[in-house]
Amino acid sequence: GAGVSQSPSNKVTEKGKDVELRCDPISGHTALYWYRQSLGQGLEFLIYFQGNSAPDKSGLPSDRFSAERTGGSVSTLTIQRTQQEDSAVYLCASSPKTGPYEQYFGPGTRLTVT
Amino acid sequence: AQSVTQPDIHITVSEGASLELRCNYSYGATPYLFWYVQSPGQGLQLLLKYFSGDTLVQGIKGFEAEFKRSQSSFNLRKPSVHWSDAAEYFCAVGGGTYKYIFGTGTRLKVLA
Repeated sequence: GAGVSQSPSNKVTEKGKDVELRCDPISGHTALYWYRQSLGQGLEFLIYFQGNSAPDKSGLPSDRFSAERTGGSVSTLTIQRTQQEDSAVYLCASSPKTGPYEQYFGPGTRLTVT
Repeated sequence: AQSVTQPDIHITVSEGASLELRCNYSYGATPYLFWYVQSPGQGLQLLLKYFSGDTLVQGIKGFEAEFKRSQSSFNLRKPSVHWSDAAEYFCAVGGGTYKYIFGTGTRLKVLA
């Protein structure tokens, strides 16, 4: 079946602009994660959605970052007033349910802020 | 504090040679351990996982890993590396919740 998809694959934006990154998880997966991967760094947890529960936003680095998940499926990560330090690869992952289950990752969106 | 350490940032091996990638963790509860591989421009793909039971775990692409509780390690091994194994490898640890901690990765280069 289809895996996790993300769009766009690459995004170049000017400093100060807003960007939206989209994630389409595997059908039926209730858990959805966003991570940020900077050069030479591991994966930085950003936000977690599980079904209809309130999301865990504890990893969002600033109030310029927000995310939503509509209908328990597609998720959008929004970065307002982008800064150069926001440049990174943003990865989305989904999992069948919560707990110690493996995550299925999308190919990522490479964001470059100029 | 919970953490995952991958001590080797880069490793270079010759094709056909054996490989061992190190992973050490610090986790207060029973750990669930994972190895993922990331090829250039791709997302992460699960190689193998350990939840319980046999401490030697077999994964895809001929990889295996051994959980050693006494050493807090979960090292990844492959007896004979192929050129297509060149990628970045991430170790991750989780517990009974949804939070996972990823290491900073080891980039593998394979010489022909």
